[in-house]
Amino acid sequence: DADVTQTPRNRITKTGKRIMLECSQTKGHDRMYWYRQDPGLGLQLIYYSFDVKDINKGEISDGYSVSRQAQAKFSLSLESAIPNQTALYFCATSDSTSGSNTGELFFGEGSRLTVL
Amino acid sequence: SQKIEQNSEALNIQEGKTATLTCNYTNYSPAYLQWYRQDPGRGPVFLLLIRENEKEKRKERLKVTFDTTLKQSLFHITASQPADSATYLCAPGRGSYIPTFGRGTSLIVHP
Repeated sequence: DADVTQTPRNRITKTGKRIMLECSQTKGHDRMYWYRQDPGLGLQLIYYSFDVKDINKGEISDGYSVSRQAQAKFSLSLESAIPNQTALYFCATSDSTSGSNTGELFFGEGSRLTVL
Repeated sequence: SQKIEQNSEALNIQEGKTATLTCNYTNYSPAYLQWYRQDPGRGPVFLLLIRENEKEKRKERLKVTFDTTLKQSLFHITASQPADSATYLCAPGRGSYIPTFGRGTSLIVHP
């Protein structure tokens, strides 16, 4: 099983619908992130959480919200989806407590969202 | 605002040659720079981190340099193989380890 699991892997929805993308991890990491990737573009940070009680906006948070239900779970919601939110979404984790201190991010396999 | 530039055109090389990918940044003073590999439809995978006080870092066939004067990092893959074909992302950062990603450069190694 993957250490960072995203569901659903693919989703097609219509404009105005509410969508939730879920992320769970078994790595025991304290930090979790949501990124968006568009074709030919880099990964853009949507939201990040350093622990259960800490939620922070990234560079493109408008139109999105998140919930850190537990240390292992971090969900991303689109309250009213629009076509320009069509993208590949990645959840990632990192461990601030490890001795390696590389800041390495561990990514899930991605959730491809299409908004018609 | 900070800007990270990686070659947008794919790099095509022959198997066995050394691939060199470039990452330039402006309006930014990163304390470290990470490199990731991303295969189509997959999440990025961490390869290496180099810090601002390190000139060079090696891992197996990979070598990364970091020139804070030129504001540039070079990523080398020696003795390249077709299996090295992927998109490579650079991600400079500082502080709380939330790196900012470049768009990536696609590497295609021909047998």
